[in-house]
Amino acid sequence: DSGVTQTPKHLITATGQRVTLRCSPRSGDLSVYWYQQSLDQGLQFLIQYYNGEERAKGNILERFSAQQFPDLHSELNLSSLELGDSALYFCASSVGASGSNEQFFGPGTRLTVL
Amino acid sequence: QQQVKQSPQSLIVQKGGISIINCAYENTAFDYFPWYQQFPGKGPALLIAIRPDVSEKKEGRFTISFNKSAKQFSLHIMDSQPGDSATYFCAAKDNYGQNFVFGPGTRLSVLP
Repeated sequence: DSGVTQTPKHLITATGQRVTLRCSPRSGDLSVYWYQQSLDQGLQFLIQYYNGEERAKGNILERFSAQQFPDLHSELNLSSLELGDSALYFCASSVGASGSNEQFFGPGTRLTVL
Repeated sequence: QQQVKQSPQSLIVQKGGISIINCAYENTAFDYFPWYQQFPGKGPALLIAIRPDVSEKKEGRFTISFNKSAKQFSLHIMDSQPGDSATYFCAAKDNYGQNFVFGPGTRLSVLP
């Protein structure tokens, strides 16, 4: 158990809908990262937050947004969902702002868009 | 230029053998190269990582070899065990954008 929690575990929704994925980092970790893992695109880095501020941005679509709250939990919002958004979404956390700090991954949220 | 290529796609090794997975990159701005291990139904877990100023790093049975001039790095798993059966991802971090790029993964099966 990495200490990172993600909810929900599974999510099934329809095209065009909006969903919110939640992540609670390990105690003491200030950075949260979001990743998408799909069969065709592999593992992709989406975005990093450090202590409430956006720190790094990867291949995140404009339909997706994230934020980190004062209690350091983070939410990833996915809107206008398409079939191709079906994937595993992982959150990871680390102590510092640098991407070179060890990241601890959560168990993931499996999103299915029908 | 932001790609990381990884081979082989799958690998079958006998117990006690050496597993070797190779990765290559183009972007010279990459400054951190981690390897992740992922078991089915689980999130990736950091296995070992290296910076480009070091040519080799060893942690237990796992060794990263890094060739900066060739822009290649590899993971060697010595004395491979059935418990090592998993998918392995190499990755690289961009020094400028702090962006992470992952290889497509290698599915390793270690036969008992």
